[in-house]
Amino acid sequence: GDSVTQMEGPVTLSEEAFLTINCTYTATGYPSLFWYVQYPGEGLQLLLKATKADDKGSNKGFEATYRKETTSFHLEKGSVQVSDSAVYFCALNNPPSGSARQLTFGSGTQLTVLP
Amino acid sequence: DSGVTQTPKHLITATGQRVTLRCSPRSGDLSVYWYQQSLDQGLQFLIQYYNGEERAKGNILERFSAQQFPDLHSELNLSSLELGDSALYFCASSRDWASDTQYFGPGTRLTVL
Repeated sequence: GDSVTQMEGPVTLSEEAFLTINCTYTATGYPSLFWYVQYPGEGLQLLLKATKADDKGSNKGFEATYRKETTSFHLEKGSVQVSDSAVYFCALNNPPSGSARQLTFGSGTQLTVLP
Repeated sequence: DSGVTQTPKHLITATGQRVTLRCSPRSGDLSVYWYQQSLDQGLQFLIQYYNGEERAKGNILERFSAQQFPDLHSELNLSSLELGDSALYFCASSRDWASDTQYFGPGTRLTVL
């Protein structure tokens, strides 16, 4: 079945550091790929998405490129802020034709940014 | 704010009891999804409803059931609760059954003592 593998956390960075959170997936066909963020005590917020190979999703300074050849969707940000501290989830959506679009999630990566 | 609402925010109950979690989707969304987030299993899909009908089932226990009402709100019923059912339960909604973008509610934290 489909699966998502994320780099294990926790990740601790200083403010203004460069962030990369690795995500690779296993799926047949052409899944849609997502990054969700969960701030402390809150629900999941959609951060960005990409629906086909070579698409780049971006939002709030975060970027991720859908790489079909390496089955990856790594999340990057050039300069993190303390307010970026959260748990980041990579997810995919890959329904067989006519089926429901439930999300398959990675295990999440805890990011802490220190001032 | 995603526009998806869930009540209650917290729920504490005892083993063997039954609880109902409620979700209201974003205005105009027809599809509702339920997910469970636990420390050992991570985020797992439970069940999806579209316009009142069950659309897909994931790793949902037989003790759990759900429904979507004509006004499109959904309820997740958990019965014969066990300690291991303690988790965060999220509801998400999307425009229709084929939409690939889901918007999540704030979750209901269930604690079974």
